[in-house]
Amino acid sequence: SYEVTQPLSVSVALGQTATITCGGNNIGSKSVHWYQQRPGQAPVLVIYRDTNRPSGIPERFSGSNSGNTATLTISSAQAGDEADYYCQVWDSTTAFGGGTKVTVL
Amino acid sequence: VQLVQSGGELKKPGESLKISCEGSGYTFTNYWIAWVRQMPGKGLEWMGVIHPDSYPIYSPSFRGQVAISADKSTRTAYLQWSRLKASDTAMYYCARQGCGGDCYSDYWGQGTLVTVSS
Repeated sequence: SYEVTQPLSVSVALGQTATITCGGNNIGSKSVHWYQQRPGQAPVLVIYRDTNRPSGIPERFSGSNSGNTATLTISSAQAGDEADYYCQVWDSTTAFGGGTKVTVL
Repeated sequence: VQLVQSGGELKKPGESLKISCEGSGYTFTNYWIAWVRQMPGKGLEWMGVIHPDSYPIYSPSFRGQVAISADKSTRTAYLQWSRLKASDTAMYYCARQGCGGDCYSDYWGQGTLVTVSS
């Protein structure tokens, strides 16, 4: 099965930029989706098909995907961005990354 | 668009269980419904997906462990166990998915907490 790897945690200062990676073999050839999950809540889609933001998601959230790494970038990080973030990829079946906990300092 | 899941369950090992997910605010038969497990303190695991007019597609990790079904007349999808184990204790989410393969989930239910304990 296809494996995707994420860092366990990322810390970012308030107002700075957080970068969350999702690694996988030739992941740049696949579509990557990103979800935010705040504590005690259901996941929310924040980026779909590598770079697209659903309506209602702030422009501060952006995505890219190339080579063996997909990236979710959160610009001007806010306290409300503290959450777990998961990437999702399809390769004959759907796989989630293990999740990255983002802490805003 | 709303996905409303059934309430939390406390069951004993060996018991059976069926939880539900009712969709509203969209054409139910235009989308698939996926089920996702989240064990306590752990990440998301995709279990499988079903179209209301078709058969379910299971993750290899969950095939044979659960049964996914749907009833388009009631706009409801189901996740079912015949014999629960303590390791089935988890939060279970349903989510709307645009297709049965390479698609994302744009709306999620609120989750159903299943606790299996003797």
